[in-house]
Amino acid sequence: GESVGLHLPTLSVQEGDNSIINCAYSNSASDYFIWYKQESGKGPQFIIDIRSNMDKRQGQRVTVLLNKTVKHLSLQIAATQPGDSAVYFCAEKAAGNKLTFGGGTRVLVKP
Amino acid sequence: KAGVTQTPRYLIKTRGQQVTLSCSPISGHRSVSWYQQTPGQGLQFLFEYFSETQRNKGNFPGRFSGRQFSNSRSEMNVSTLELGDSALYLCASSPRTGNEKLFFGSGTQLSVL
Repeated sequence: GESVGLHLPTLSVQEGDNSIINCAYSNSASDYFIWYKQESGKGPQFIIDIRSNMDKRQGQRVTVLLNKTVKHLSLQIAATQPGDSAVYFCAEKAAGNKLTFGGGTRVLVKP
Repeated sequence: KAGVTQTPRYLIKTRGQQVTLSCSPISGHRSVSWYQQTPGQGLQFLFEYFSETQRNKGNFPGRFSGRQFSNSRSEMNVSTLELGDSALYLCASSPRTGNEKLFFGSGTQLSVL
């Protein structure tokens, strides 16, 4: 995942636009990936997951894309709403069944 | 279905003390994992329990321990608290082991003074 740190990258998006959140993962042996959304004061909330034998998976208003060649994961949110404002984390699972989380991206939705 | 419940929500302790945090998983979920979240280190895996057995462990010192009961409820304990242990401790449950599709609680915010 992304390197962690005190400063979260921030994505500002206009309400109604599409959002794309990117994540670079580190382990080419990772076979499972997952996206979480965390709102202030709450625990991470499951959004969508994907296995390494897939390139794309769609959910309700969300799509996850996996590019194993460049070890890149992205989350697309269609028609972003104010309720989508949160910190988004990607996570990968490799050997040992441990989930390794990225540092997160803050999404701010402007009305 | 009720979600993952963690108690207490907030906790203030002093250095050297020990603390026990509690987690009740979603009904029917037998796997419970614990994570530590800090602004500097992000989300880090502590350990996972399934059917009362520790299945996986992260890179934390032995001061961090846990257990799981026959009803799948779990507790984690931190002994000899240090200032750096201040963090949000998150519990997550899953129907099966393997750390996939975890459902998180709201966490216990621990402050060590």
